[in-house]
Amino acid sequence: DIQMTQSPSSVSASVGDRVTITCRASQAISSWLAWYQQKPGKAPKLLIYAASSLQSGVPSRFSGSGSGTDFTLTISSLQPEDFATYYCQQANSFPITFGQGTRLEIK
Amino acid sequence: QVQLQESGPGLVKPSQTLSLTCTVSGGSISGDTYYWTWIRQPAGKGLEWIGRIYTSGSTNYNPSLRGRVTMSVDTSKNQFSLKLSSVTAADTAVYYCARRYNSGQNWFDPWGQGTLVTVSS
Repeated sequence: DIQMTQSPSSVSASVGDRVTITCRASQAISSWLAWYQQKPGKAPKLLIYAASSLQSGVPSRFSGSGSGTDFTLTISSLQPEDFATYYCQQANSFPITFGQGTRLEIK
Repeated sequence: QVQLQESGPGLVKPSQTLSLTCTVSGGSISGDTYYWTWIRQPAGKGLEWIGRIYTSGSTNYNPSLRGRVTMSVDTSKNQFSLKLSSVTAADTAVYYCARRYNSGQNWFDPWGQGTLVTVSS
């Protein structure tokens, strides 16, 4: 199985801050990576797919980059509704695997 | 707009079989563009992919579940289902159904709202 490791596990930030979350795959996955946002009691929401493609309806302050084994999710200017948990997911091979999550908290 | 809704018992006894159904509305479940998947999340923990099924019946399951998983599809009802046998407390989780986003891709959108299944006697 491909192991996905996110860092940090949690981060505190303020509205307006720029935040970057990192995801590393245990083997190369090209650009087969997605990012999800999950709020308490809700299903995950697809934000970014193919490492850098923004899902329809997702604000442009979200961006993704990377290929191979190292990927990043960046939120350029945090808004109050962005405080949530973020997961990366590799889509290269089965079984599909997710990172352990990064909890983004209000400072 | 396609929507998914999970249903099934919220409480299952240890050693029994967990059974859930996902009903798809707003679109047909048929065709090979999409496949249908189950993902679970124990309380306070991360996401675990359980498996996928095409409407042809072709399946892939997560080996971590050691052969306890069976998925099926009922195109006449626009539903697909999950059975997980020999459950233990470790199978307590919110179970989500979801659809592959598009052909040739393995990310998921949309998702159902999730249903909590507790394994307890």
